[in-house]
Amino acid sequence: AQTVTQSQPEMSVQEAETVTLSCTYDTSESNYYLFWYKQPPSRQMILVIRQEAYKQQNATENRFSVNFQKAAKSFSLKISDSQLGDTAMYFCAFMKHVGVSNMLTFGGGTRLMVKP
Amino acid sequence: GAVVSQHPSWVICKSGTSVKIECRSLDFQATTMFWYRQFPKQSLMLMATSNEGSKATYEQGVEKDKFLINHASLTLSTLTVTSAHPEDSSFYICSAPTSGSSYEQYFGPGTRLTVT
Repeated sequence: AQTVTQSQPEMSVQEAETVTLSCTYDTSESNYYLFWYKQPPSRQMILVIRQEAYKQQNATENRFSVNFQKAAKSFSLKISDSQLGDTAMYFCAFMKHVGVSNMLTFGGGTRLMVKP
Repeated sequence: GAVVSQHPSWVICKSGTSVKIECRSLDFQATTMFWYRQFPKQSLMLMATSNEGSKATYEQGVEKDKFLINHASLTLSTLTVTSAHPEDSSFYICSAPTSGSSYEQYFGPGTRLTVT
């Protein structure tokens, strides 16, 4: 079974600064996907960024980027130029290679507060 | 992008009654849907995988007789909480991949259940 661990229950950052959220996972799979989801106060889950395990290049989406270290089983999220709208719960998630299961395994979450 | 709806968004019921929550994929067909439960300030916990035309697969520790899942069509899955008790009060979220070969998973907006 896969496990996903987020070691930072809460974090805060000043507006316009950069923050990094940590995530580690444990799996025996060699082919998988990793995701960061955002859950704002509305509680609607929003996909922030994804990473395919077979890709060495770190994924980026505008102000969001990841540091994927496959050997270390680490998948951190960096948010640059933080905005007030980034305030939310952030969940790291693991998915086995598509076709085996689309089931997501979530970490415990990190509550991020962006301060003006 | 694909849209998943849930109904109702909020429901209050009395202890001992049953309540049904619907999850619909509005613009795509979903042979599989997932049901999650989320307690306040906690992560999403997978309850079961809903499979169109066949029985749902429940996660360990989830009572299948209490949480009845029916996936009667390619766009609708329902979760019925039977004989609800206050401890069943929670936020229930469904999700669906857009196809069996897709990592893209879309989440419903969630249903808040309060049992009095």
